[in-house]
Amino acid sequence: DQQVKQNSPSLSVQEGRISILNCDYTNSMFDYFLWYKKYPAEGPTFLISISSIKDKNEDGRFTVFLNKSAKHLSLHIVPSQPGDSAVYFCAAFTGNQFYFGTGTSLTVIP
Amino acid sequence: DTGVSQDPRHKITKRGQNVTFRCDPISEHNRLYWYRQTLGQGPEFLTYFQNEAQLEKSRLLSDRFSAERPKGSFSTLEIQRTEQGDSAMYLCASSFTGTGLSLYFGPGTRLTVT
Repeated sequence: DQQVKQNSPSLSVQEGRISILNCDYTNSMFDYFLWYKKYPAEGPTFLISISSIKDKNEDGRFTVFLNKSAKHLSLHIVPSQPGDSAVYFCAAFTGNQFYFGTGTSLTVIP
Repeated sequence: DTGVSQDPRHKITKRGQNVTFRCDPISEHNRLYWYRQTLGQGPEFLTYFQNEAQLEKSRLLSDRFSAERPKGSFSTLEIQRTEQGDSAMYLCASSFTGTGLSLYFGPGTRLTVT
C-alpha cells in the first residue's frame, strides 16, 4: 500500500515564481518527513527535512510545511530557478524505514 | 569523505547470470539501506543494516537477493539468476542516528538484464 502519495506527476512554473509541491500520507506514526531532488541517472539528493513536532522548516529558498491534522506536507521553492527543474520526492520515516512518494517532475520555464 | 559511492554505475547482464553491487557509505554513518527504483516510481525499500546487522528485509526481496555488510562498513548486494524484471536502478543510502534525521543516497547502479 502506498503510504506516501504525490498526486501531481508534473508541475510547470515560470522562473522567479513560487513552486509548490504537495505530498499526502496515511500513517500517523510517521515522525520525520524529508524532500529529495533527483536528476536523471543520479541518486536522489537530500533537500530539507522536518520533524513531526514542527509545522515549518526553512532553508534558503526551500520551505517545508507540515499539516499533521490533514496528513499533508508541502515544499515551497521561492524564487524558482531553471536549475530547480528535476523530479522531487517526498519521504516519511517511522521505525527503521523511509517511505517514498512517486515523485513530481518540476519544470521551471526561463 | 564526499558522500555515498556505488560501484559499478552501470551493469548489463544476461538473464540467469549473477551480479554483485558494492556500496561505500559515509564513514560515520551506522545505518545503510538498499532501495530499488524503476521508472515513474519512488525508491522501494529492499533491506536495511545497522552497523553489520541486517535488521530488516522487504517481503518483496526474493531469495535470489542477498546483502551483506561485513564489519559494518561497505555493503554488497548480490542478485542470483537475474531476471528481466530485475532491471532497475539500485540505490544505496546511509544515515546517522544522531541529532535530526537525514538519508543520503549514492548515485545508484543501473542494472539492465537482457
